[in-house]
Amino acid sequence: KNEVEQSPQNLTAQEGEFITINCSYSVGISALHWLQQHPGGGIVSLFMLSSGKKKHGRLIATINIQEKHSSLHITASHPRDSAVYICAVESNFGNEKLTFGTGTRLTIIP
Amino acid sequence: DTGVSQDPRHKITKRGQNVTFRCDPISEHNRLYWYRQTLGQGPEFLTYFQNEAQLEKSRLLSDRFSAERPKGSFSTLEIQRTEQGDSAMYLCASSSIAGVSYNEQFFGPGTRLTVL
Repeated sequence: KNEVEQSPQNLTAQEGEFITINCSYSVGISALHWLQQHPGGGIVSLFMLSSGKKKHGRLIATINIQEKHSSLHITASHPRDSAVYICAVESNFGNEKLTFGTGTRLTIIP
Repeated sequence: DTGVSQDPRHKITKRGQNVTFRCDPISEHNRLYWYRQTLGQGPEFLTYFQNEAQLEKSRLLSDRFSAERPKGSFSTLEIQRTEQGDSAMYLCASSSIAGVSYNEQFFGPGTRLTVL
């Protein structure tokens, strides 16, 4: 079992739909990251959180430390949101390296 | 553009050749990470530096792989005697241990390696 599991692996939705991507992890962490990767490889950091909830524009990330679970939500989805969304965790051993999930490929259809 | 650059962006080589990749992090960032990503998978940690010190290496980093960060600025990743299984995207990221972006990792565009 991978230390970081994401679901779903693939998600196709119509423009305007509310999107939820889930991430579960099995290790103690100091922080969880949500990243966005577009075709061609470039990765952009969306959120880094260790508790509660963060919001940036149409994106919302939540984390429940007790349940070892995080969600990424996209409101009013748009075709430009189409990308791979990756959850990654920093272990609490103090080395700050990231352990990544396999990603969720999101496609928003106009 | 995150401010992290990698060179080259693409590299095609024949099996058995040596290749070297370069990463230039954001200038004030003292941590630098190398990751490898194969098709359809999330990135995997290879190694990281704090300033010029290499603090951790993954079991994935066989003795054919070596990384350096000689002056605590840019870093190089060398793969000797490349194998087809080395074909992947090699990603570099940097972070700062201070400031408002504490520990947030900024990724470069990656170097895609194809070993024929």
